[in-house]
Amino acid sequence: KNEVEQSPQNLTAQEGEFITINCSYSVGISALHWLQQHPGGGIVSLFMLSSGKKKHGRLIATINIQEKHSSLHITASHPRDSAVYICAVRVRTGNQFYFGTGTSLTVIP
Amino acid sequence: DAGITQSPRHKVTETGTPVTLRCHQTENHRYMYWYRQDPGHGLRLIHYSYGVKDTDKGEVSDGYSVSRSKTEDFLLTLESATSSQTSVYFCASFSRRTDTQYFGPGTRLTVL
Repeated sequence: KNEVEQSPQNLTAQEGEFITINCSYSVGISALHWLQQHPGGGIVSLFMLSSGKKKHGRLIATINIQEKHSSLHITASHPRDSAVYICAVRVRTGNQFYFGTGTSLTVIP
Repeated sequence: DAGITQSPRHKVTETGTPVTLRCHQTENHRYMYWYRQDPGHGLRLIHYSYGVKDTDKGEVSDGYSVSRSKTEDFLLTLESATSSQTSVYFCASFSRRTDTQYFGPGTRLTVL
């Protein structure tokens, strides 16, 4: 049983395309996080969401609490966006996190 | 970014030997975590700590123990390493102020 499901698992896009990665979760949460992991392994936090929408440069993240769903959008994708994007939720009952298996994105020039 | 380091970064060991991985953070975060990352799985929680000497088990804690004697250090010990513990291990700390997890660079452990 996975508390967090992501789709797609793999995604290849042409440079400039609009990209959407989806995340669904099944537990009560305090917040949802989008993380980025580049080849070589380092993991960085992109967004923390508890409601609504956030934008940072070409990245937009949305969350629908009622539907238990979040999306990460990348506008005008670039090869440097190639990475694994991970959805994580912080459970409402504590300070533990559950993680999706990640979406591996490759942007081709 | 929070200063969080892990040591060693790479280790190869033999089955049956004890192994200790160290995580060090400089941000005075109360919460710290050890995860393992394996192909086909998301990051999975091994153990976490919510303060000095306060630790609890995660979903994959069998064969692992932890200790936290100082706020800045969180140690993960494999009492007797097995090949199934070959993995990449990530440490993280959590800031309640920013509601953000900060990850260490990871330790690649190979158990032969």
